[in-house]
Amino acid sequence: EIMLTQSPATLSLSPGERATLSCRASQSISNYLAWYQQKPGQAPRLLIYDTSNRATGIPARFSGSGSGTDFTLTISSLEPEDFAVYYCQQRTSWPLTFGGGTKVEIK
Amino acid sequence: EVQLLESGGNLVQPGGSLRLSCAASGFTFSNYAMTWVRLAPGKGLEWVSANTDSGDRTYYGDSVKGRFTISRDNSKNTLYLQMNSLRAEDTAVYYCAKRSYGTGGWIDYWGQGTLVTVSS
Repeated sequence: EIMLTQSPATLSLSPGERATLSCRASQSISNYLAWYQQKPGQAPRLLIYDTSNRATGIPARFSGSGSGTDFTLTISSLEPEDFAVYYCQQRTSWPLTFGGGTKVEIK
Repeated sequence: EVQLLESGGNLVQPGGSLRLSCAASGFTFSNYAMTWVRLAPGKGLEWVSANTDSGDRTYYGDSVKGRFTISRDNSKNTLYLQMNSLRAEDTAVYYCAKRSYGTGGWIDYWGQGTLVTVSS
């Protein structure tokens, strides 16, 4: 099973600041990584797939990068609606796995 | 518009069984792989199970293998999750989700979830 480790667990930032979230895989997953956003009481939403492709309707302030085992989600300038939990996920091999999540909270 | 509506969540005793359903609409259900993901209280997302568009291939997470069975009825546009030998640690909101193509891909749409509580 491929383990995904996200860091930090919590990120305390102010609106307008830049957020950098990390996801590290226990083995190479090529570029088969996605990022999801989840707000309390809501279903998750796909933000980024295949490491760096924005899903339909996702604002340009969200970007993804990386390859192999180290990946990054960057939010260039936090909007109030961006405070949420973010998960990475791999689909290189079964079972599919998620990272433990990073909570982006208002400082 | 893609819609996924889960049902069947309930309070069940440890060792009991439950079947979740997910009614899909707004897309050609038989063309897409589907999956179940859960979110336990205070925990992160956990992938549970998936199948391909025809249902001929199924996959399970280690924590549910041998206890849960995923299936689908393409004539009814419905996905199922049969859960047996339930444990307290299965307590979670269960999400039905669509994948982006027939044999896999990313999860591009999610339902709103159904709550399963395993407790005596």
